[in-house]
Amino acid sequence: AQRVTQPEKLLSVFKGAPVELKCNYSYSGSPELFWYVQYSRQRLQLLLRHISRESIKGFTADLNKGETSFHLKKPFAQEEDSAMYYCALRPLSGNQFYFGTGTSLTVIP
Amino acid sequence: NAGVTQTPKFQVLKTGQSMTLQCAQDMNHEYMSWYRQDPGMGLRLIHYSVGAGITDQGEVPNGYNVSRSTTEDFPLRLLSAAPSQTSVYFCASADRGTDTQYFGPGTRLTVL
Repeated sequence: AQRVTQPEKLLSVFKGAPVELKCNYSYSGSPELFWYVQYSRQRLQLLLRHISRESIKGFTADLNKGETSFHLKKPFAQEEDSAMYYCALRPLSGNQFYFGTGTSLTVIP
Repeated sequence: NAGVTQTPKFQVLKTGQSMTLQCAQDMNHEYMSWYRQDPGMGLRLIHYSVGAGITDQGEVPNGYNVSRSTTEDFPLRLLSAAPSQTSVYFCASADRGTDTQYFGPGTRLTVL
């Protein structure tokens, strides 16, 4: 069975400091991994996906198949990064998404 | 485009009552899904649909029914509400072959 684990419920960093939100997954096949973000009073939205290897709003995430991790990183946190972040997995053969429990990031001015 | 819309925004039910949460999308997306969001539990998939007339169960389907008679609409029915169903419910849609899910604004349901 697939499972997505985000060990940190709450994470606080100072503005300008590096930030890393952890995500580990378990899945027997090759999944697709995503990060979704929910800013205050906004809808949940896609931040980035592993397959495109892109950097969005300064965030990057590398899929490490050996460690089954997909950690989200940003070298210099900004106040506007404060939000709830969800890691999600989708089996290559399926349509459904499985989300982690989320990490609430607060960037302290 | 309105995107994904959900009604109502808030609802209070008594135990045993039934109701339908509405979800509609105007993007002609084939894939639609319902999630519930609970503190410490994240988003959990309730039911999903890959097209009109096709639905399937997610992680937590018990107590919920869905149908997909049109591409646009994907209502979620609670037949006999229970306090354990107090949650925030999100509907989402996606186009086939794409990775991006578009979420609705959510419905906050309280069951007393």
